[in-house]
Amino acid sequence: SVLTQPPSVSGAPGQRVTITCTGSSSSHGASPDVHWYQQLPGAPPKLLIYVNTNRPSGVPDRFSGSKSGTSASLTISDLRADDEADYYCQSHDSSLNMIFGGGTKLTVL
Amino acid sequence: QVQLVESGGGVVQPGKSLRLSCAASGFTFSRYGMHWVRQAPGKGLEWVAVISDDGLNKYYDDSVNGRFTISRDNSKNTLFLQMDSLRAGDTAVYFCAKDPYGSGFYIDSWGQGTLVTVSS
Repeated sequence: SVLTQPPSVSGAPGQRVTITCTGSSSSHGASPDVHWYQQLPGAPPKLLIYVNTNRPSGVPDRFSGSKSGTSASLTISDLRADDEADYYCQSHDSSLNMIFGGGTKLTVL
Repeated sequence: QVQLVESGGGVVQPGKSLRLSCAASGFTFSRYGMHWVRQAPGKGLEWVAVISDDGLNKYYDDSVNGRFTISRDNSKNTLFLQMDSLRAGDTAVYFCAKDPYGSGFYIDSWGQGTLVTVSS
């Protein structure tokens, strides 16, 4: 059971970037939900998107999530310098154990 | 607000044991599932284990199953991770994390982490 993310993405301030998270059929099964976390340098992860599309209180609406079949995406609009971080998707495998994607490093040019 | 404070990390020799603790505050601890997640230096996140709100259900990643034991004391708002037969590959920052439900779903709060180094 694997969640695959691109190792890195980049964009200039003000641009929009999308990070994909693709699951194998055994990990997504009947299409389990996907969640996203942001990890700033030297800090613990922070919940960014839960249950595919929902933002916790305090997360700017520049961050949005979507899911279709076995693929999910995190889109960051109006990119800012302080968005530079590692981003992880998370779901469950066929044993219902939690699994994380390998992480994507976002560089703001 | 939710606070999760890990302790117990340090340097330990291969084959030895270590017990991590996580002191929780700011929420009703006994109502939520709790996780341990680790991150090796320079690497990604790896889920380790989850325990249900009542402590009756526990699940582990295959890499630690049989060596690590997750437990909780709801009377003391504390989560534990007993780590036995430690290996070099267990070297990581270990995060204590809260689930928004009674058992594993996703994580809505994280501690700062405690570093475990397994080395001779």
